[in-house]
Amino acid sequence: ILNVEQSPQSLHVQEGDSTNFTCSFPSSNFYALHWYRWETAKSPEALFVMTLNGDEKKKGRISATLNTKEGYSYLYIKGSQPEDSATYLCAFKLNTGNQFYFGTGTSLTVIP
Amino acid sequence: DVKVTQSSRYLVKRTGEKVFLECVQDMDHENMFWYRQDPGLGLRLIYFSYDVKMKEKGDIPEGYSVSREKKERFSLILESASTNQTSMYLCASSLPVSPYEQYFGPGTRLTVT
Repeated sequence: ILNVEQSPQSLHVQEGDSTNFTCSFPSSNFYALHWYRWETAKSPEALFVMTLNGDEKKKGRISATLNTKEGYSYLYIKGSQPEDSATYLCAFKLNTGNQFYFGTGTSLTVIP
Repeated sequence: DVKVTQSSRYLVKRTGEKVFLECVQDMDHENMFWYRQDPGLGLRLIYFSYDVKMKEKGDIPEGYSVSREKKERFSLILESASTNQTSMYLCASSLPVSPYEQYFGPGTRLTVT
């Protein structure tokens, strides 16, 4: 079982604050890194799919970067809003096999 | 709008019962997955199917089996439920090609008493 680590485990921020989380994964045999947002009582939904070293993706106030050589990805949220409250999961795929390895997630609570 | 549905949101079963969790996707995806999610452990893969009647074990297959008789349906079976199988179970599907984005169902919270 591969080790995919996310930090911090949980985070409470005030509305309007900017925040970021980290996903660490093995730096060898990389194929893809996915970020998912999982809101309470809903299904996890893909935020970003990243495959190239140096990838930067953006969706509104949320962005992500990828460094495959050192094995990490950052997720940034600018000006957090209460609707951003969710658990953010990263998932790593090797260049062999079909399996994704998920981190334990970062639980974000945005306080109005 | 893509959709993955699971047969139950909440389920309570007794130890020793045979339990079926059903998952249906309407996207014609070849790949389907069953995960369980436990606090502090993240999503762990139980079984994966890449085609009808084809399956691969994931990281934690013990105590589970699966069935895929039709492309759109992937069933997870607990042959004899035990209390340590109390968990949230998530089904997902994806295409078999890059970027392999997974589409998840809403989850089934199973309690075994």
